[in-house]
Amino acid sequence: EIGMTQSPATLSLSPGERAILSCRASQSVSYSLAWYKQKPGQAPSLLIYAASTRATGVPARFSGSGSGTEFTLTISSLQSEDFAVYYCQQYHDWPRTFGQGTKVDIK
Amino acid sequence: VQLLESGGSLVQPGGSLRLSCAGSGFTFTNQAVTWVRQVPGKGLEWVSSITGDGATTNYADSVKGRFTISRDTSENKVFLQMSSLRADDTGVYYCANGLWRGSLDYWGQGTLVTVSS
Repeated sequence: EIGMTQSPATLSLSPGERAILSCRASQSVSYSLAWYKQKPGQAPSLLIYAASTRATGVPARFSGSGSGTEFTLTISSLQSEDFAVYYCQQYHDWPRTFGQGTKVDIK
Repeated sequence: VQLLESGGSLVQPGGSLRLSCAGSGFTFTNQAVTWVRQVPGKGLEWVSSITGDGATTNYADSVKGRFTISRDTSENKVFLQMSSLRADDTGVYYCANGLWRGSLDYWGQGTLVTVSS
């Protein structure tokens, strides 16, 4: 099983600041990495797939990078609606596995 | 694209439950469907996936032998038959669609399963 580790667990930032979230895989997943956003009481929604491709309707302030075992999600300038929990997930191998999540909250 | 889960409820340990996921707004047979669960306040756990034609399935070790995923293409529905339920099966169950070797593109709103005596 491929383990996914996200850091930090919590990121406390102010609106307008840049957020950098990390995701590490225990073995290479190539580019088969997705990022999801989840707000309280809501289902997750897809942000990024194939490590760096924004899903339909996702604002340009969200960008993904990385390959192999190291991945990054960057939010260039935090908006109020961006304060949420973010999960990475690998779909390179079975079982599919998620990171434990990074909570981005308001400082 | 819309996915709507149903069937969640309170069930006793050892009991059974069948969840349904109804899809609309996309070509159902072109998309794999996946079940993901979440203990309230905790992270996401992949449970099971099925291909668009229903020919191939995969399960997490934690549910293998107890859960069965299936689909009815005539009704645009996917089912998760859960048996021998345990307390640690409690959570919100989401269905999501996407390519078999791809990300989870669209998610339903989830259905709550509570396993408790």
